Formats: sequence, structure tokens, C-alpha cells
Amino acid sequence: RKEVEQDPGPFNVPEGATVAFNCTYSNSASQSFFWYRQDCRKEPKLLMSVYSSGNEDGRFTAQLNRASQYISLLIRDSKLSDSATYLCVVLSGGYQKVTFGTGTKLQVIP
Amino acid sequence: EAGVTQFPSHSVIEKGQTVTLRCDPISGHDNLYWYRRVMGKEIKFLLHFVKESKQDESGMPNNRFLAERTGGTYSTLKVQPAELEDSGVYFCASSPGGYNEQFFGPGTRLTVL
Repeated sequence: RKEVEQDPGPFNVPEGATVAFNCTYSNSASQSFFWYRQDCRKEPKLLMSVYSSGNEDGRFTAQLNRASQYISLLIRDSKLSDSATYLCVVLSGGYQKVTFGTGTKLQVIP
Repeated sequence: EAGVTQFPSHSVIEKGQTVTLRCDPISGHDNLYWYRRVMGKEIKFLLHFVKESKQDESGMPNNRFLAERTGGTYSTLKVQPAELEDSGVYFCASSPGGYNEQFFGPGTRLTVL
């Protein structure tokens, strides 16, 4: 079983739709969680950190469920510019070891 | 504020040759990370520096890879001799420390022929 698992997609959704991604992690001692966005042939960029209490930034909402060991990302009112690969990132251990998921590809269609 | 920079952006070499990648982190960031993405696979951790010390190098694939961070500023990653399976995009990231956001450089795309 991979340490961090994501559905690779692609998720093809129409503009204005709401889409949700999940990411599961295997290390129950993981401490920090992030969603990064990666555009084609570009570097990953932080989208948002994920907290147990949940956090929202405009159209984006991230949630952490420690009991079930998953994090989620909800995108409301999808825009064409949201098309990208969304990477789930988990930090674990005293050395803050970083583990990436494979990424979920989102394509927003006009 | 300047971001993480990497050089070169692309490198094409032949099997058996040596290549050195460079990463300049954001000024003041003690933590520097190297990652690699092989086509079709997830980004994989290679190693982590705190200042000039290797904190975790558990992701380094083999002894053909050598990373250094002299003086705790920029870092180099040398591959010697390069093999076909070393092809991929090598990302560098830096962070101020703790469980903070990592800022990624644009990556070096390495192709070994």
C-alpha cells in the first residue's frame, strides 16, 4: 500500500461545477498536510494547508479526518483556470519527511 | 523576494556522463530538499538538508548520487555516472523550518540518452 494515495483521475468537470478530491495516508503519526497545485511542466505550488478544524480559502475548502486518515479538497464554482494536477502532501516524523501523492488531474471544460 | 532557483533548467547527457544540478534556496531558509519526478510517477523525496547537514538522505537511490550544501546556502546534486533511469525532473524546495510550507524551484529536467 502506498503511503499517500490519490485517485489520479482525470476528473473532467464543466465550468461552475463542484468537485471533490480525497487523499488517504497510511502513517497515523503524520503531522502536517498540504494541497499543492501543479500546472503542466511547472513546479508544485502550495494551494492550502489542511487543518483538523478545516479551512476555507475562497472557493477552496480543505478538511482533515485523522480518524479515517484522509484529507479532502473541495472546489466550488470551478473555473477553467482550475485545470491542473492537485497533489496531496503529507509530512511525517521528526525529520519532517515529505511524501507526495501521485496527484489528481482536474480538467475544467467550458 | 526571490524564489527558489535551479540551474540548469534542462540537461541532456549521455549515459555514463556526469551532471551537476544546482539549487539556490530562498535566503534565510535553513531547510533544503531535493525531489525527483520520473515520468508517470509521483514526486519522490531524495534528501533533506538543515543548513549544511544532511538530515535525511533515505530517498537517495544509490551512491551515484551525491548532494552537498557547503556553507548552508546553495546545494548541488551530482549524478555520476548517469544512467538512463535517472531521467526525470529534479525539484528543489526550501522552507524556513518546522512543518511549514515548502517553496519549490522550477525544476531541472534531466534526460539521459
